[in-house]
Amino acid sequence: DQQVKQNSPSLSVQEGRISILNCDYTNSMFDYFLWYKKYPAEGPTFLISISSIKDKNEDGRFTVFLNKSAKHLSLHIVPSQPGDSAVYFCAASARRDDMRFGAGTRLTVKP
Amino acid sequence: DAGVIQSPRHEVTEMGQEVTLRCKPISGHNSLFWYRQTMMRGLELLIYFNNNVPIDDSGMPEDRFSAKMPNASFSTLKIQPSEPRDSAVYFCASSPTGGRPDTQYFGPGTRLTVL
Repeated sequence: DQQVKQNSPSLSVQEGRISILNCDYTNSMFDYFLWYKKYPAEGPTFLISISSIKDKNEDGRFTVFLNKSAKHLSLHIVPSQPGDSAVYFCAASARRDDMRFGAGTRLTVKP
Repeated sequence: DAGVIQSPRHEVTEMGQEVTLRCKPISGHNSLFWYRQTMMRGLELLIYFNNNVPIDDSGMPEDRFSAKMPNASFSTLKIQPSEPRDSAVYFCASSPTGGRPDTQYFGPGTRLTVL
């Protein structure tokens, strides 16, 4: 049962433009949401997170938006850079130690 | 800090063979997680330990899979017998006890191929 879904397996954008990665979840008990970035041959690394008490969290070029009523979150990268090309995983947690991940979206930023 | 260490990095085996994946968590971290990444399902949590005790193994797919953490610095994930559908990348991650999920640090993974 996929509780966290990333319906777009891939996304391609031009350098300098905005990248928007989407994620949907089904479990209303999730109260903490995260985005991880993964380069080839490496493990995922934490990128940004948001608590369910907020609807937006910003860190430099990265902003995560949370819409609890729609059970939807998105990651915005502005401006996109070629070094942002990676697989991005959305994750959600209902308790401190346990995360459920989506299938990932491969982002390609073209120079 | 060496980070989370996993071995081997690549494993190719034949169906029916036993496979053992190894993980050394970051020193001082008390929680350890095993994940499996596949194209279809992305990253799936298989099992996690807190202070060497298995807390949730509901993600372990079958009895063919078993995991142990004999001490705070070592864990194994064993598949016996292995099947082609077990082919995936297996990640180990560790975090401080009681830490938020964003404190999980992942190892580089073991790519398993079962022929």
